[in-house]
Amino acid sequence: QKEVEQDPGPLSVPEGAIVSLNCTYSNSAFQYFMWYRQYSRKGPELLMYTYSSGNKEDGRFTAQVDKSSKYISLFIRDSQPSDSATYLCAMSRYGGATNKLIFGTGTLLAVQP
Amino acid sequence: EAGVAQSPRYKIIEKRQSVAFWCNPISGHATLYWYQQILGQGPKLLIQFQNNGVVDDSQLPKDRFSAERLKGVDSTLKIQPAKLEDSAVYLCASSRNLAANEQFFGPGTRLTVL
Repeated sequence: QKEVEQDPGPLSVPEGAIVSLNCTYSNSAFQYFMWYRQYSRKGPELLMYTYSSGNKEDGRFTAQVDKSSKYISLFIRDSQPSDSATYLCAMSRYGGATNKLIFGTGTLLAVQP
Repeated sequence: EAGVAQSPRYKIIEKRQSVAFWCNPISGHATLYWYQQILGQGPKLLIQFQNNGVVDDSQLPKDRFSAERLKGVDSTLKIQPAKLEDSAVYLCASSRNLAANEQFFGPGTRLTVL
Protein backbone atom coordinates (compact mmCIF):
# COMPACT_ATOMS: atom_id res chain seq x y z
CA GLN A 1 0.00 0.00 0.00
CA LYS A 2 1.34 3.43 -0.95
CA GLU A 3 1.75 5.92 1.88
CA VAL A 4 -0.20 8.54 -0.10
CA GLU A 5 -3.00 7.76 -2.55
CA GLN A 6 -4.36 10.26 -5.06
CA ASP A 7 -6.76 9.74 -7.96
CA PRO A 8 -4.78 10.59 -11.13
CA GLY A 9 -7.84 11.80 -13.02
CA PRO A 10 -8.04 13.38 -15.49
CA LEU A 11 -10.75 15.62 -14.07
CA SER A 12 -12.53 17.89 -16.54
CA VAL A 13 -14.87 20.65 -15.32
CA PRO A 14 -16.51 23.71 -16.90
CA GLU A 15 -15.26 27.17 -16.05
CA GLY A 16 -16.79 28.47 -12.83
CA ALA A 17 -17.28 25.03 -11.28
CA ILE A 18 -16.18 24.08 -7.78
CA VAL A 19 -13.38 21.55 -7.92
CA SER A 20 -12.65 19.01 -5.19
CA LEU A 21 -9.29 17.24 -5.13
CA ASN A 22 -8.49 14.60 -2.54
CA CYS A 23 -5.75 12.44 -1.06
CA THR A 24 -5.75 9.68 1.50
CA TYR A 25 -2.75 8.53 3.48
CA SER A 26 -1.81 5.63 5.70
CA ASN A 27 0.91 7.04 7.96
CA SER A 28 -0.69 8.60 11.06
CA ALA A 29 2.61 10.33 11.84
CA PHE A 30 2.10 12.85 9.03
CA GLN A 31 1.44 16.29 10.49
CA TYR A 32 2.24 18.72 7.67
CA PHE A 33 0.11 18.75 4.54
CA MET A 34 0.69 20.63 1.32
CA TRP A 35 -0.81 21.11 -2.10
CA TYR A 36 1.41 21.85 -5.06
CA ARG A 37 0.34 22.91 -8.55
CA GLN A 38 2.41 21.75 -11.51
CA TYR A 39 1.90 23.18 -14.98
CA SER A 40 3.04 21.14 -17.96
CA ARG A 41 6.83 21.18 -18.39
CA LYS A 42 7.27 23.16 -15.16
CA GLY A 43 8.31 22.37 -11.60
CA PRO A 44 5.74 22.16 -8.78
CA GLU A 45 4.82 25.36 -6.92
CA LEU A 46 3.41 25.47 -3.42
CA LEU A 47 -0.27 26.46 -3.20
CA MET A 48 -1.36 25.67 0.34
CA TYR A 49 0.37 24.57 3.54
CA THR A 50 -1.49 23.21 6.57
CA TYR A 51 -0.37 21.90 9.92
CA SER A 52 -2.46 19.18 11.59
CA SER A 53 -6.25 19.13 11.19
CA GLY A 54 -8.54 21.95 10.13
CA ASN A 55 -9.26 24.30 7.25
CA LYS A 56 -7.19 26.98 5.59
CA GLU A 57 -8.46 29.43 3.00
CA ASP A 58 -6.50 31.52 0.50
CA GLY A 59 -8.55 33.33 -2.09
CA ARG A 60 -10.36 30.77 -4.23
CA PHE A 61 -8.50 27.87 -2.61
CA THR A 62 -9.46 26.01 0.58
CA ALA A 63 -7.44 23.17 2.08
CA GLN A 64 -9.00 20.75 4.54
CA VAL A 65 -7.29 18.14 6.68
CA ASP A 66 -9.12 15.37 8.56
CA LYS A 67 -6.47 13.46 10.47
CA SER A 68 -9.02 11.10 12.04
CA SER A 69 -9.94 9.85 8.55
CA LYS A 70 -6.43 10.35 7.09
CA TYR A 71 -7.99 12.41 4.32
CA ILE A 72 -7.07 15.78 2.87
CA SER A 73 -8.87 17.92 0.31
CA LEU A 74 -8.29 20.98 -1.84
CA PHE A 75 -11.30 22.95 -3.05
CA ILE A 76 -11.09 25.45 -5.89
CA ARG A 77 -14.00 27.87 -6.21
CA ASP A 78 -14.92 29.64 -9.43
CA SER A 79 -12.42 27.55 -11.37
CA GLN A 80 -10.64 29.22 -14.29
CA PRO A 81 -8.94 27.79 -17.40
CA SER A 82 -5.66 29.01 -15.87
CA ASP A 83 -6.22 26.49 -13.06
CA SER A 84 -5.67 23.67 -15.56
CA ALA A 85 -2.64 21.80 -14.20
CA THR A 86 -1.64 18.75 -12.19
CA TYR A 87 -2.30 19.08 -8.46
CA LEU A 88 0.00 17.17 -6.15
CA CYS A 89 -0.65 16.56 -2.49
CA ALA A 90 2.39 16.18 -0.27
CA MET A 91 2.90 15.48 3.38
CA SER A 92 5.63 15.08 5.96
CA ARG A 93 6.13 13.95 9.50
CA TYR A 94 8.05 17.01 10.53
CA GLY A 95 8.10 20.64 9.55
CA GLY A 96 11.37 22.26 8.67
CA ALA A 97 14.25 20.00 9.65
CA THR A 98 14.01 16.48 8.25
CA ASN A 99 11.03 17.73 6.24
CA LYS A 100 11.04 14.82 3.81
CA LEU A 101 8.00 15.24 1.60
CA ILE A 102 5.98 12.26 0.40
CA PHE A 103 4.00 13.17 -2.73
CA GLY A 104 0.84 11.73 -4.20
CA THR A 105 0.78 10.81 -7.88
CA GLY A 106 -1.04 14.04 -8.81
CA THR A 107 -4.49 14.75 -10.28
CA LEU A 108 -4.66 16.26 -13.77
CA LEU A 109 -7.31 19.00 -13.87
CA ALA A 110 -8.69 20.56 -17.04
CA VAL A 111 -11.01 23.57 -16.74
CA GLN A 112 -12.94 24.04 -19.96
CA PRO A 113 -13.78 27.62 -21.02
CA GLU B 1 14.48 37.07 -6.99
CA ALA B 2 15.69 34.54 -9.56
CA GLY B 3 14.27 31.04 -9.24
CA VAL B 4 15.99 27.68 -9.19
CA ALA B 5 17.94 27.16 -12.41
CA GLN B 6 18.52 23.76 -13.99
CA SER B 7 20.33 22.60 -17.10
CA PRO B 8 20.03 21.00 -19.50
CA ARG B 9 16.24 21.08 -19.88
CA TYR B 10 16.20 17.95 -22.03
CA LYS B 11 18.62 15.07 -22.52
CA ILE B 12 18.42 11.92 -24.62
CA ILE B 13 21.04 9.20 -24.11
CA GLU B 14 21.57 5.52 -24.83
CA LYS B 15 21.45 3.03 -21.96
CA ARG B 16 24.78 2.49 -20.24
CA GLN B 17 25.89 6.03 -21.07
CA SER B 18 26.59 8.68 -18.44
CA VAL B 19 24.73 11.92 -17.86
CA ALA B 20 25.02 14.88 -15.50
CA PHE B 21 22.49 17.49 -14.43
CA TRP B 22 23.25 20.87 -12.92
CA CYS B 23 21.26 22.94 -10.45
CA ASN B 24 21.73 26.45 -9.12
CA PRO B 25 19.41 27.15 -6.15
CA ILE B 26 17.89 30.45 -5.14
CA SER B 27 20.58 32.72 -3.77
CA GLY B 28 21.02 32.26 -0.04
CA HIS B 29 19.14 28.97 0.18
CA ALA B 30 21.10 26.53 2.31
CA THR B 31 19.02 23.41 1.65
CA LEU B 32 18.96 21.73 -1.76
CA TYR B 33 16.98 18.71 -2.92
CA TRP B 34 17.06 16.43 -5.96
CA TYR B 35 13.84 14.63 -6.87
CA GLN B 36 13.02 12.05 -9.53
CA GLN B 37 9.56 12.30 -11.13
CA ILE B 38 8.62 9.36 -13.32
CA LEU B 39 5.75 9.98 -15.75
CA GLY B 40 2.42 9.70 -13.96
CA GLN B 41 3.99 9.74 -10.48
CA GLY B 42 4.75 12.32 -7.85
CA PRO B 43 8.30 13.49 -7.19
CA LYS B 44 10.45 11.15 -5.11
CA LEU B 45 13.30 12.56 -3.03
CA LEU B 46 16.71 11.25 -4.09
CA ILE B 47 19.04 13.35 -1.95
CA GLN B 48 18.94 16.37 0.34
CA PHE B 49 21.86 18.69 1.13
CA GLN B 50 22.31 21.22 3.87
CA ASN B 51 25.07 23.52 2.63
CA ASN B 52 27.68 21.03 1.37
CA GLY B 53 26.65 18.15 3.65
CA VAL B 54 24.24 15.30 2.89
CA VAL B 55 21.15 15.22 5.14
CA ASP B 56 19.29 12.31 3.49
CA ASP B 57 20.34 10.06 0.61
CA SER B 58 18.41 6.97 1.67
CA GLN B 59 16.57 6.68 -1.68
CA LEU B 60 19.53 7.41 -3.93
CA PRO B 61 20.60 4.31 -5.95
CA LYS B 62 24.21 4.72 -4.98
CA ASP B 63 25.50 2.05 -7.38
CA ARG B 64 24.75 4.36 -10.30
CA PHE B 65 23.71 7.77 -8.96
CA SER B 66 25.96 10.34 -7.32
CA ALA B 67 25.49 13.95 -6.31
CA GLU B 68 27.66 16.68 -4.91
CA ARG B 69 27.40 20.22 -3.67
CA LEU B 70 31.03 20.96 -3.07
CA LYS B 71 30.86 24.68 -2.30
CA GLY B 72 27.39 24.63 -0.76
CA VAL B 73 25.82 26.51 -3.66
CA ASP B 74 25.20 24.76 -6.98
CA SER B 75 24.92 21.01 -7.29
CA THR B 76 25.46 18.23 -9.83
CA LEU B 77 23.58 14.94 -10.08
CA LYS B 78 25.20 12.19 -12.15
CA ILE B 79 23.96 8.85 -13.45
CA GLN B 80 26.54 6.30 -14.56
CA PRO B 81 25.61 4.00 -16.24
CA ALA B 82 22.03 4.92 -17.14
CA LYS B 83 19.24 2.35 -17.37
CA LEU B 84 15.96 2.52 -19.26
CA GLU B 85 14.06 2.95 -15.98
CA ASP B 86 15.97 6.15 -15.25
CA SER B 87 13.84 7.95 -17.83
CA ALA B 88 12.16 10.67 -15.78
CA VAL B 89 12.16 14.36 -14.96
CA TYR B 90 14.85 15.28 -12.46
CA LEU B 91 13.74 18.19 -10.31
CA CYS B 92 15.96 20.35 -8.16
CA ALA B 93 14.44 22.31 -5.27
CA SER B 94 15.80 24.61 -2.61
CA SER B 95 14.63 26.05 0.68
CA ARG B 96 16.01 28.79 2.89
CA ASN B 97 17.20 26.36 5.54
CA LEU B 98 16.19 23.15 7.30
CA ALA B 99 13.55 25.02 9.34
CA ALA B 100 11.80 26.40 6.25
CA ASN B 101 8.58 24.72 5.19
CA GLU B 102 8.45 25.80 1.55
CA GLN B 103 10.55 24.21 -1.16
CA PHE B 104 10.99 26.08 -4.44
CA PHE B 105 11.31 23.87 -7.49
CA GLY B 106 13.20 24.38 -10.72
CA PRO B 107 11.74 23.49 -14.14
CA GLY B 108 13.43 20.09 -14.19
CA THR B 109 15.55 18.14 -16.66
CA ARG B 110 13.65 15.63 -18.78
CA LEU B 111 15.84 12.55 -19.33
CA THR B 112 15.04 9.93 -21.94
CA VAL B 113 17.14 6.75 -21.92
CA LEU B 114 16.90 4.71 -25.14
